[in-house]
Amino acid sequence: GQNIDQPTEMTATEGAIVQINCTYQTSGFNGLFWYQQHAGEAPTFLSYNVLDGLEEKGRFSSFLSRSKGYSYLLLKELQMKDSASYLCAVRTSGTYKYIFGTGTRLKVLA
Amino acid sequence: EAQVTQNPRYLITVTGKKLTVTCSQNMNHEYMSWYRQDPGLGLRQIYYSMNVEVTDKGDVPEGYKVSRKEKRNFPLILESPSPNQTSLYFCASSLGETNEQFFGPGTRLTVL
Repeated sequence: GQNIDQPTEMTATEGAIVQINCTYQTSGFNGLFWYQQHAGEAPTFLSYNVLDGLEEKGRFSSFLSRSKGYSYLLLKELQMKDSASYLCAVRTSGTYKYIFGTGTRLKVLA
Repeated sequence: EAQVTQNPRYLITVTGKKLTVTCSQNMNHEYMSWYRQDPGLGLRQIYYSMNVEVTDKGDVPEGYKVSRKEKRNFPLILESPSPNQTSLYFCASSLGETNEQFFGPGTRLTVL
């Protein structure tokens, strides 16, 4: 079967660093995406990894290890507005399908 | 403004009454997709389209139909809605299948 696992909830303090992990088992792999979704809103794109390694984009970084079926999203200098759900999604190879994890709800405390 | 629009944003209907949720994008994107989002289950892909007249099933296509007659529009059709189709629906588009998806604002559907 196809499965993406993420922690359900995480809590961190303003100004801190938090790492959100994602592990996946899918029928093929052709890229991993991270999206941010604030409550009541649509998801918005954060990052994309298709090769192993780290992609950095301002306060956000995403890492991928294809051999381990593992990714993480690193958020630095946390701000209150970073309180949201973070969705990990894999595009499977051979098709044009996307599989999403159930999301990690991050609470940033003052 | 580049965007994906969906209509209606909210809909309450009854079992068996056919309905269509429209989706339109103004970014000339080739790839479009429909998702439903349910608590504890995350986003699940219903149907997607690679281009005009090219559509395929996602993970949860049962009870839904789509069409892609024009590049900008990708309507979702529920021929005979049932209560288990009560959900939050998102349309999304991307330039290609490996590019990031832009999501519409969502349609909250309740089937009584």
